[in-house]
Amino acid sequence: RKEVEQDPGPFNVPEGATVAFNCTYSNSASQSFFWYRQDCRKEPKLLMSVYSSGNEDGRFTAQLNRASQYISLLIRDSKLSDSATYLCVVNTGGATNKLIFGTGTLLAVQP
Amino acid sequence: NAGVTQTPKFRVLKTGQSMTLLCAQDMNHEYMYWYRQDPGMGLRLIHYSVGEGTTAKGEVPDGYNVSRLKKQNFLLGLESAAPSQTSVYFCASSPYREYTEAFFGQGTRLTVV
Repeated sequence: RKEVEQDPGPFNVPEGATVAFNCTYSNSASQSFFWYRQDCRKEPKLLMSVYSSGNEDGRFTAQLNRASQYISLLIRDSKLSDSATYLCVVNTGGATNKLIFGTGTLLAVQP
Repeated sequence: NAGVTQTPKFRVLKTGQSMTLLCAQDMNHEYMYWYRQDPGMGLRLIHYSVGEGTTAKGEVPDGYNVSRLKKQNFLLGLESAAPSQTSVYFCASSPYREYTEAFFGQGTRLTVV
């Protein structure tokens, strides 16, 4: 089983739609959680950190459920510029501090 | 604003050749990572370092070696390249604290023929 698993893609949605991505992780000792965005042939960049209380940044909302080992990302009012691959990332923390990536979910927002 | 710099950006190797990929960061970060990215596989951790002089194996370390002699540099070596090592390689660094982002280099596209 992969340490971090994500929804299979691609997601094809019209502009203005709301889309949700899900992610599960296997290591219950994981310390911190993130969503990264990766554009085609570019390096990944941080979209947002994910806190236990949930957090929102404009049209983006991230939530964490430690009991279920589940992370989500909600994008409201999708824009064409949101088209990218979204990567769920888990930091194992402690002495190792490994960043483990999910395989990513491709989002294509259609005009 | 250099951030994380990878060299080279592109390389074609013949099977059996060796090479070293260089990652340099100017942010005084403790942690550095090497990943490879293949279609449908996501980013897989090859090796990582939690500080100068330390290295550790990640998920897919076979066929690679690393060194972190200086805090700002993390080198990834391929001693005898194989076609299975054709991939995009990303280096990343992050500081020593929780909930902090990792910064990535622009990647190295390596083809082994």
